[in-house]
Amino acid sequence: QSVLTQPPSVSAAPGQKVTISCSGSSSNIGNTYVSWYQQLPGTAPKLLIYENNKRPSGIPDRFSGSKSGTSATLGITGLQTGDEADYYCGTWDSSLNGGGVFGGGTKLTVL
Amino acid sequence: QLQLQESGPGLVKPSETLSLTCTVSGGSFSSSDYYWGWIRQPPGKGLEWIGSIFYTGRTYYDPSLKSRVTISVDTSKNQFSLKLSSVTAADTAVYYCARHDYSNYLEYFQHWGQGTLVTVSS
Repeated sequence: QSVLTQPPSVSAAPGQKVTISCSGSSSNIGNTYVSWYQQLPGTAPKLLIYENNKRPSGIPDRFSGSKSGTSATLGITGLQTGDEADYYCGTWDSSLNGGGVFGGGTKLTVL
Repeated sequence: QLQLQESGPGLVKPSETLSLTCTVSGGSFSSSDYYWGWIRQPPGKGLEWIGSIFYTGRTYYDPSLKSRVTISVDTSKNQFSLKLSSVTAADTAVYYCARHDYSNYLEYFQHWGQGTLVTVSS
């Protein structure tokens, strides 16, 4: 059971927009920044978003992030078949038994 | 461009110790701006943080693995290593090393290795 909660799957048609939610608590998302990762099949995760809404160099602006309270959201616009992947949220949990935490992952299907 | 590369045995026997090394190249290893971390992913499952280390040797470990994990650093070789003792089949996973960046805490992993599959089996 992951500390952060994501929907197992989402789907949308090419060209459409999709959002993926990530729910946590006051000791993790509610206390600091959220990051998002894309994992294409058979590859290592890649950082998409850090500090809630910042994109590393080379990440297109079709990808966006936001945070409100103890939840965060990843948005992807102009969906492409190449966006089909697993997406993970992550952050740090500052509770007594905390540390690095991830969501369980969301499988995006581009129909 | 920063590169990380995992190395170590792909097969470990139950009850033995899993040992992996991550070699970092193309960037500053002994920087005060980040830690170096290990993450694993069991087959078909999600990401699990194992622990992270600063170049001075300061460590953070996942509480559920803390009793079995040791992460160490060798700044002369730009390497950091993972040891996981008393392994079982549940420790079978792809193991990634990554640069663990911080803003307020250690919130994100900027760069990742390609990962290495470690299977626990007799």
